[in-house]
Amino acid sequence: SQQGEEDPQALSIQEGENATMNCSYKTSINNLQWYRQNSGRGLVHLILIRSNEREKHSGRLRVTLDTSKKSSSLLITASRAADTASYFCATLLKGGYSTLTFGKGTMLLVSP
Amino acid sequence: GAGVSQSPSNKVTEKGKDVELRCDPISGHTALYWYRQSLGQGLEFLIYFQGNSAPDKSGLPSDRFSAERTGGSVSTLTIQRTQQEDSAVYLCASSLGQGANTGELFFGEGSRLTVL
Repeated sequence: SQQGEEDPQALSIQEGENATMNCSYKTSINNLQWYRQNSGRGLVHLILIRSNEREKHSGRLRVTLDTSKKSSSLLITASRAADTASYFCATLLKGGYSTLTFGKGTMLLVSP
Repeated sequence: GAGVSQSPSNKVTEKGKDVELRCDPISGHTALYWYRQSLGQGLEFLIYFQGNSAPDKSGLPSDRFSAERTGGSVSTLTIQRTQQEDSAVYLCASSLGQGANTGELFFGEGSRLTVL
């Protein structure tokens, strides 16, 4: 069963706009990670946020975590055509093995 | 090597044949993961290695699937008597220390398996 579920499934925006993707999960986590996948390629790690953190930034990326709502969001500011990719959230369950469980992803299309 | 290396990158096989997929992790990474990604889907966890042992193999879908890791480095995923539903991209990832507890996973480019 899916631990993390991303929303929306697909998002289409213009260059320069901000893109927000959400992730909800079901059980307590140790950490939550966001990954990006360009078509036909492997996944690339973007950012990791631990259960005791509420917000993290990395360049144009901002991730928030609300453990009371079991949800996270990824914000990409001032998007570029090169940001076009699928974005996945992945959760590490608390007390479990070091196994990351991935959602189905949000497909982001940024048009020039 | 600089990154996680997987081979073959593409494999087409006939139903019923056995296939082996290989993963060469980043040097020094003790944690190794196998995932499967079907077309347009998320990643399905298969197995996690820490060193040569597999503390979590809960994701292997059937006894036709097996994996091993020798010398704490290269891993091989074997699928016996392949079925059409095995068609997918098989992704390998490696990580330092205790894997995802410690930090990020580094992924290979994947092995695309097509079962005819």
